[in-house]
Amino acid sequence: SQQGEEDPQALSIQEGENATMNCSYKTSINNLQWYRQNSGRGLVHLILIRSNEREKHSGRLRVTLDTSKKSSSLLITASRAADTASYFCATAHMDTGRRALTFGSGTRLQVQP
Amino acid sequence: SQTIHQWPATLVQPVGSPLSLECTVEGTSNPNLYWYRQAAGRGLQLLFYSVGIGQISSEVPQNLSASRPQDRQFILSSKKLLLSDSGFYLCAWSVGTATGELFFGEGSRLTVL
Repeated sequence: SQQGEEDPQALSIQEGENATMNCSYKTSINNLQWYRQNSGRGLVHLILIRSNEREKHSGRLRVTLDTSKKSSSLLITASRAADTASYFCATAHMDTGRRALTFGSGTRLQVQP
Repeated sequence: SQTIHQWPATLVQPVGSPLSLECTVEGTSNPNLYWYRQAAGRGLQLLFYSVGIGQISSEVPQNLSASRPQDRQFILSSKKLLLSDSGFYLCAWSVGTATGELFFGEGSRLTVL
């Protein structure tokens, strides 16, 4: 089953507004990552936050992690039409021998110009 | 710099026909390699991963198989395709442990008719 689940499934905003996407997971993690996917393309890594970090910034991106609630959020500030894409969280888990990330179902973001 | 190539980009195959998708990585050695499948509008499902030549771990019992004949080559195969094999297949690689960043190919869209 999917570990990461994003919320909302779809989000439509106006250019210049902020976009917030949430991710919840079930078991302890080593780190949590966010990826972006343009329609019909491969995924591109955006940011990684480790389990001992609470907040991380990269340009217009801000990621928070709350390990007590097993949740993370991705904030995109001052959105642009070019931010239109699907965004996925991915978790790396500590307790298994599984050497792969587990992806959520994604949030489809539409930024209206 | 490292690059990943995945082909073919698109293919349409009849039910019962064989399948071969190929992925190669350049500019790195001994990468971890992954095959994911993405159903329309959904998240990524891990199919196979490999930590070395000839070492394949399967995540989901299915009609597919994977092989790693060379360090930077990963092949996804099927002897007889099913309708349910349709989807978007993504190859990815990572360096060192599986908890780090994944680098994705551009994907292969398979339609089984």
